[in-house]
Amino acid sequence: RKEVEQDPGPFNVPEGATVAFNCTYSNSASQSFFWYRQDCRKEPKLLMSVYSSGNEDGRFTAQLNRASQYISLLIRDSKLSDSATYLCVVNFSGTYKYIFGTGTRLKVLA
Amino acid sequence: GAVVSQHPSRVICKSGTSVKIECRSLDFQATTMFWYRQFPKQSLMLMATSNEGSKATYEQGVEKDKFLINHASLTLSTLTVTSAHPEDSSFYICSASLTGVNQPQHFGDGTRLSIL
Repeated sequence: RKEVEQDPGPFNVPEGATVAFNCTYSNSASQSFFWYRQDCRKEPKLLMSVYSSGNEDGRFTAQLNRASQYISLLIRDSKLSDSATYLCVVNFSGTYKYIFGTGTRLKVLA
Repeated sequence: GAVVSQHPSRVICKSGTSVKIECRSLDFQATTMFWYRQFPKQSLMLMATSNEGSKATYEQGVEKDKFLINHASLTLSTLTVTSAHPEDSSFYICSASLTGVNQPQHFGDGTRLSIL
């Protein structure tokens, strides 16, 4: 089993739709969780950290489910500019090591 | 805050050339920086952890003599791809984070390396 797993997609959704991605992780000692966005041929950029109680930033909502070992990202009212690959990143407790998922590709269609 | 700069952004060179890539933390000190490699349509793969003032820690399968890492100061880490070959062509990205738990990684712009 991979340490961090994501559905590669692509998820093709119309503008204005709501879309959700999940990411599962295998190490129960994982401590920190993040969602990054990566555009084609660019570096990843931090979208949001994921907190235990869940958190929201505008149209984006992140959730953490420790019991089932997954995190989720919900995007409401999708924009064309949301088209990108969304990377799930997990940090293991007591280390500086960050493990990346393979990413989920989102295409928002006009 | 937490800006990471990487240079150069693009390198095209002949096989056998050694290429040095710099990663700088511009507005913070980074005792630890990370070097990743990403092939097309694949995830970022951690190559090594760069530690200021000590030897880098390499991931399994990454040749330390091939990918030389130097972290001589709290704001600069360098990765040198020695005697590069076409199979080394890839997107190399560095990252660093602020000190403390639960800090996200901040990435440099990446270096696209093409070996002819």
